[in-house]
Amino acid sequence: AQKVTQAQTEISVVEKEDVTLDCVYETRDTTYYLFWYKQPPSGELVFLIRRNSFDEQNEISGRYSWNFQKSTSSFNFTITASQVVDSAVYFCALSGLTGGGNKLTFGTGTQLKVEL
Amino acid sequence: NAGVMQNPRHLVRRRGQEARLRCSPVKGHSHVYWYRQLPEEGLKFMVYLQKENIIDESGMPKERFSAEFPKEGPSILRIQQVVRGDSAAYFCASSPAQVDQPQHFGDGTRLSIL
Repeated sequence: AQKVTQAQTEISVVEKEDVTLDCVYETRDTTYYLFWYKQPPSGELVFLIRRNSFDEQNEISGRYSWNFQKSTSSFNFTITASQVVDSAVYFCALSGLTGGGNKLTFGTGTQLKVEL
Repeated sequence: NAGVMQNPRHLVRRRGQEARLRCSPVKGHSHVYWYRQLPEEGLKFMVYLQKENIIDESGMPKERFSAEFPKEGPSILRIQQVVRGDSAAYFCASSPAQVDQPQHFGDGTRLSIL
C-alpha cells in the first residue's frame, strides 16, 4: 500500500520568512512519481511539481525549492521569503504503477498561513 | 486549449435526491480519475476509468455511487439517495494514455446536502 504523511497540520509564519513543508512517503514500487499541489482558499488544485523516483536532483523554481531524498523517503518543499499570497493548503502526493494507471495518494495537507 | 472542465461548480441537493457530477477531460485524454475531498481532509481516490471501462473502483463506496466514462461525452459521477456525509468537493483529473504522464485537475464540484 502507498502512504503519504504530512506531519505538519498547520504552519504560521511572518512574511519574508523561509518555510519548509515536510513530506514522507511509503511505497513498494520501484518507479513512482512525487507531486506537490497548492490549494488556495478559492479551492482549486494548482500543480507545482512532479518528480520521478529516479531523479534525485533538487529543483528550484523562483522562491520554491524541493529536496528529494530517497534514502529517507522524503520530498520536502521550501518556500523562500514567503508572501501572503503563499497562504494555502499544500498537498504532497505519490503515484506508482501498481495496479495500472497512476492514481494519486495524497497526504492530509499542510495549511500554511503567512501573515504580515 | 481547455483544461479539465467540471460542472456544476456548486451543487445543492436535499437528502434522498440524486447528484450528477460531470467531467470533460482535456481533449485527447482517455483516462479519467475521480477524487473526493471531505471537509478539512486531503483528497481520496475514488475511481479510475478509461473510455467505456472502469479500471479501478477500489476507492468508491459500494452503494449509491457509480461512475461512467462513455465513448462520447463527459465522465459522470452519480450519487443516488444522497446523505449529509456525501457533502464534499469532488475533483476530476485526466491524463493521456501513457501511464507516466501527469494528471490535470479540474476546479472541482462542491456538493452540499441539505
